[in-house]
Amino acid sequence: KQEVTQIPAALSVPEGENLVLNCSFTDSAIYNLQWFRQDPGKGLTSLLLIQSSQREQTSGRLNASLDKSSGRSTLYIAASQPGDSATYLCAVKASGSRLTFGEGTQLTVNP
Amino acid sequence: GAVVSQHPSRVICKSGTSVKIECRSLDFQATTMFWYRQFPKQSLMLMATSNEGSKATYEQGVEKDKFLINHASLTLSTLTVTSAHPEDSSFYICSARADWQPQHFGDGTRLSIL
Repeated sequence: KQEVTQIPAALSVPEGENLVLNCSFTDSAIYNLQWFRQDPGKGLTSLLLIQSSQREQTSGRLNASLDKSSGRSTLYIAASQPGDSATYLCAVKASGSRLTFGEGTQLTVNP
Repeated sequence: GAVVSQHPSRVICKSGTSVKIECRSLDFQATTMFWYRQFPKQSLMLMATSNEGSKATYEQGVEKDKFLINHASLTLSTLTVTSAHPEDSSFYICSARADWQPQHFGDGTRLSIL
């Protein structure tokens, strides 16, 4: 059974700092890995999707890497802003249609 | 981009009431829709997966008679929480995808049963 773990559970940083969120998964037989953002009381917004054959994806200040063999992914946020404050969820897609989610990292960027 | 609309965003009702939540894909045909439940500070738990015109596939431990799912068309799925009780209070999120495409998520429904 696939399990996804995210570390740290919560992170508080000053504005402007670069930061890394970590995601690990137990079964390396995945099709893709996705990073989402969830604002309080809202649904999920997809940030980056990395196919199993890829090693990284970039969008603006965000960069996600994937090391499938070791079961790890990182989300790098450059020059963090207060508007980046949210919960970040990592999810992997393995067999079938199912997405397996981690429990998220709650990020607070202080002005 | 693709948009999934979920309605209502918040429901407060008395114990014993049945509550229906709608999930619509606005600009694509959703061959598959998913319903998730999320407890405070926890991740999303998949409740069921439904394909248009077929019965939903429920995850282990999810009562199909309690959580009725209807995927009547390629743009609409509904989740009905029957005879809701306080323990059913939660945040429910739907998701939809077209064939071989990534999932898109609705904004969720906060259900509070008094």
